[in-house]
Amino acid sequence: QVQLQESGPGLVKPSETLSLTCSVSGVSLSSGGPHFCWVRQPPGKGLEHIGCFTYGRGTNYNPSLKSRLTISQDTSRNQFSLRLSSVTAADTAFYFCAKVGDNWRQSDWGQGTLVTVSS
Amino acid sequence: QTVVTQEPSLTVSPGGTVTLTCASSTGAVTDDFSPTWFQQKPGQAPRVLVYTTVNKDAWTPARFSGSLLGGKAALTLSGAQPEDEAEYFCLLWDGVSWVFGGGTKLTVL
Repeated sequence: QVQLQESGPGLVKPSETLSLTCSVSGVSLSSGGPHFCWVRQPPGKGLEHIGCFTYGRGTNYNPSLKSRLTISQDTSRNQFSLRLSSVTAADTAFYFCAKVGDNWRQSDWGQGTLVTVSS
Repeated sequence: QTVVTQEPSLTVSPGGTVTLTCASSTGAVTDDFSPTWFQQKPGQAPRVLVYTTVNKDAWTPARFSGSLLGGKAALTLSGAQPEDEAEYFCLLWDGVSWVFGGGTKLTVL
């Protein structure tokens, strides 16, 4: 059974860096098949794709976030992480991590974590 | 970046049929866009209903079906149930990245 759990600060100050980690169980990040993704959702609004990585195949980033964004992975801990720099209030959102198959089939999602950008 | 447009809200009667659509600002949606449909209920993560235009995920009820319709991706619900009341998001591949639509809030009433 695949499980994902987001963790990280719930409050970040404007201009600082948002950092989240997704801990994965039930599937290996280095298995080379699934994609591991971040998606966010401002409260009461729609979904936004942040980026996905696939072991051995690289990372796909949302072009509108790419200049501020880093998605990395720690295969020894079976975790992947998101770092978004120079945040503003517009980055306030629920952040979800997910493991997905090709074309998003058979996806498993974390419960999501709310990150608020405020001084 | 590509803009993906969905109906903001739709209402369907119990047992009725409704079609949700998903349009791309770049032109007609084709299979190359790998249209994907998600259902999201309040307080929950999204779940995939349909991927690559027509394929259903393992849990997807038979009353949901995906297609291409008039240059758009479409999700048809035939025989709506009260538990189908939710927000529905489409997702398209624009050749560079994945882009979500704004979502359709479906009311079963």
